[in-house]
Amino acid sequence: GENVEQHPSTLSVQEGDSAVIKCTYSDSASNYFPWYKQELGKGPQLIIDIRSNVGEKKDQRIAVTLNKTAKHFSLHITETQPEDSAVYFCAAKLYQGGKLIFGQGTELSVKP
Amino acid sequence: NAGVTQTPKFQVLKTGQSMTLQCAQDMNHEYMSWYRQDPGMGLRLIHYSVGAGITDQGEVPNGYNVSRSTTEDFPLRLLSAAPSQTSVYFCASSRTGGNYGYTFGSGTRLTVV
Repeated sequence: GENVEQHPSTLSVQEGDSAVIKCTYSDSASNYFPWYKQELGKGPQLIIDIRSNVGEKKDQRIAVTLNKTAKHFSLHITETQPEDSAVYFCAAKLYQGGKLIFGQGTELSVKP
Repeated sequence: NAGVTQTPKFQVLKTGQSMTLQCAQDMNHEYMSWYRQDPGMGLRLIHYSVGAGITDQGEVPNGYNVSRSTTEDFPLRLLSAAPSQTSVYFCASSRTGGNYGYTFGSGTRLTVV
């Protein structure tokens, strides 16, 4: 089955700096890669996603890149703010309607 | 829209007790799933369902049962609680027929003593 590895497990940056979180997946048939943000005491919330026919997607300060050949994808957050502090999860889905497999999570801390 | 509603928010069980975690969604989503979240292990899939009457096992199904009699509800049953089932449980739903993001509930924090 699909396996998703996520790094780093913790990340601390200064406000205004950029943050990058990386994930690798094992099954080359995976075709959908969402990212979730989880704030303390809440459920994960979808922040951006990318499909396998796209190499990069941006939404304001957030961007995701996908390298299908290397089977890895990354989340980039620019101009970080204290409210970006949260746990971020990457995930991969094998096929349309299939189950979502998550990475282990990255705890991002943005220091003012 | 309420989205995905999970009850209860907190629960303490004694070893060997049984209970049902409730999950309901009002978005007419075909796909529903249960995850458990443990420190350093991310979200692990317990069971999932692609529609009423259809369920399947995820990565860590042992000790849990599910059923899907309606589109809206997807309860998770703990048959005989064990301390290893102490965790935060999340229910999620999505549309099918394409690649759609999941909507998560706010979670149930379960402690088994």
